[in-house]
Amino acid sequence: DQQVKQNSPSLSVQEGRISILNCDYTNSMFDYFLWYKKYPAEGPTFLISISSIKDKNEDGRFTVFLNKSAKHLSLHIVPSQPGDSAVYFCAASALGGGSNYKLTFGKGTLLTVNP
Amino acid sequence: GAGVSQSPSNKVTEKGKDVELRCDPISGHTALYWYRQSLGQGLEFLIYFQGNSAPDKSGLPSDRFSAERTGGSVSTLTIQRTQQEDSAVYLCASSPPAGGGAQYFGPGTRLLVL
Repeated sequence: DQQVKQNSPSLSVQEGRISILNCDYTNSMFDYFLWYKKYPAEGPTFLISISSIKDKNEDGRFTVFLNKSAKHLSLHIVPSQPGDSAVYFCAASALGGGSNYKLTFGKGTLLTVNP
Repeated sequence: GAGVSQSPSNKVTEKGKDVELRCDPISGHTALYWYRQSLGQGLEFLIYFQGNSAPDKSGLPSDRFSAERTGGSVSTLTIQRTQQEDSAVYLCASSPPAGGGAQYFGPGTRLLVL
């Protein structure tokens, strides 16, 4: 039972355009969401997070949107750069549910930004 | 400052052998986590340490897997009698005392069981 789903295994975008990465979750106890970026042969790098009390969080070129009623979040990267090419993982945790230590990850989306 | 470090970076072993994987968390981080990423899969939670104790070991796949942490710092994940399905990238992460929130990952150990 996959509680965090990233339905697009890959996404290709032109440099300078917007990249939109999507993530859906099923567990209504999740109240904290994170995006990680992973280059080959490296560990995941934390990018940005959002608490369920918010619907948007922005950090430079990265914005995460949360739609709680739809149990959906998205990561927007604008403008996209070739160095953004990596696998992006969506993750969720239940901070208020007593298991705030455990992150549940999606399978990732490979983003390719073409020059 | 120094991030999470893991050793070895790569390990090739024969089926049936035991392996030990090491994690050095970020200094001052009291929480430490082990995850596993199999080919084409997301990260799978294995175990969590708060200080030297492991309140949740529920993610360990079998009793061949064990982990310990000493001095509130270094952790080792041990896999006994390795099987081919144990082949994966084993990732360690740590987080500061406030708990919850972002976890910071090491580069991982790539384990291949022949």
